[in-house]
Amino acid sequence: QKEVEQNSGPLSVPEGAIASLNCTYSDRVSQSFFWYRQYSGKSPELIMSIYSNGDKEDGRFTAQLNKASQYVSLLIRDSQPSDSATYLCAVKSGSSNTGKLIFGQGTTLQVKP
Amino acid sequence: DVKVTQSSRYLVKRTGEKVFLECVQDMDHENMFWYRQDPGLGLRLIYFSYDVKMKEKGDIPEGYSVSREKKERFSLILESASTNQTSMYLCASSGGQGNDQPQHFGDGTRLSIL
Repeated sequence: QKEVEQNSGPLSVPEGAIASLNCTYSDRVSQSFFWYRQYSGKSPELIMSIYSNGDKEDGRFTAQLNKASQYVSLLIRDSQPSDSATYLCAVKSGSSNTGKLIFGQGTTLQVKP
Repeated sequence: DVKVTQSSRYLVKRTGEKVFLECVQDMDHENMFWYRQDPGLGLRLIYFSYDVKMKEKGDIPEGYSVSREKKERFSLILESASTNQTSMYLCASSGGQGNDQPQHFGDGTRLSIL
């Protein structure tokens, strides 16, 4: 079982819709969770961090964390063609004190005009 | 803003050459990381460092070494470059209390080994 799992997609949504990206993780003591966006040929950029159960909103983005079920999700409201990218979920193991993250393979999102 | 700078965006080298990739961060971060990214394989950790002169192997260290002589600089070395090391190389850094802060990435170096 992979430590961090994401559906590779592509996930295709129409412009203006809500895109829902999901991520599950295997380490029950994980404490910190991050979402990165990566455009083709570019490096990953951080878009959300979440540390506590529940929802965290930042503009059109909402991260949701459920530690009991070991999943974290990212909702993108009013999706725009510029949101088309690969979204990486990253998890910090609770047993790590070096800042090491475990990355999922990423979900490719396509927003169609 | 965190700034992670990689020395080259594109690099072309020949098989057997010794190749140096340099990374500098300006946030006084304790942790620095080197990844490679290939289509369909995601991000793979090569080496990381949690302090000056300290290093740990990641998932794919074979054929690589690293050096961290100063806190802000982390170098990746391909001892004898081979064609299967053609890839995008990404450097990242992180820090903060409890080491629970995100990693911040440089722009990447696209390395081609001919």
